[in-house]
Amino acid sequence: NAGVTQTPKFQVLKTGQSMTLQCAQDMNHNSMYWYRQDPGMGLRLIYYSASEGTTDKGEVPNGYNVSRLNKREFSLRLESAAPSQTSVYFCAGSGQVSYNEQFFGPGTRLTVL
Amino acid sequence: GNSVTQMEGPVTLSEEAFLTINCTYTATGYPSLFWYVQYPGEGLQLLLKATKADDKGSNKGFEATYRKETTSFHLEKGSVQVSDSAVYFCALDYGNNRLAFGKGNQVVVIP
Repeated sequence: NAGVTQTPKFQVLKTGQSMTLQCAQDMNHNSMYWYRQDPGMGLRLIYYSASEGTTDKGEVPNGYNVSRLNKREFSLRLESAAPSQTSVYFCAGSGQVSYNEQFFGPGTRLTVL
Repeated sequence: GNSVTQMEGPVTLSEEAFLTINCTYTATGYPSLFWYVQYPGEGLQLLLKATKADDKGSNKGFEATYRKETTSFHLEKGSVQVSDSAVYFCALDYGNNRLAFGKGNQVVVIP
């Protein structure tokens, strides 16, 4: 089992460009999450999906959109990237292996110039 | 609102020293509490958890006790190793398995 995988691992964008961060899990999790990690800020929830077909805003959703394509995949889209979105992005899943334990992917380091 | 506060600053200590990282929380009701660990270049992984007051979570020599009277969940380890060098995050579940994280503490263990 690969667990939770994310692509790409690194990305550099120019201001105004768009991109999609991909996340997939093979652990049959019902819930999936997107976080951003900034120095000195801990992790902050961007969006989450409690089950296939549903998505909800988290703490910092502005500038992002998400798609729960199926039970395995949960993508995060930046329509018009801004330097404030420079961060490390983590995807996580929960709900199948161990209730309320989240399993994290390795992260995507995004730089917006 | 729901929030987690961790002590400020990195923690540097010698191998076999005693480690304590403080964590206090603000929440409605009695949420589940967690410690996650992040090794360099990796995602977070669960270290331990406690789901109700007075529960003690433990794993790999680390322990934390859910104290509702002081709204705390301090992490302790009696004898750290170099391999324990990582960033440690305290977190609480505020519903639908959504987590609120503290800012994290970098722990550096010197041989």
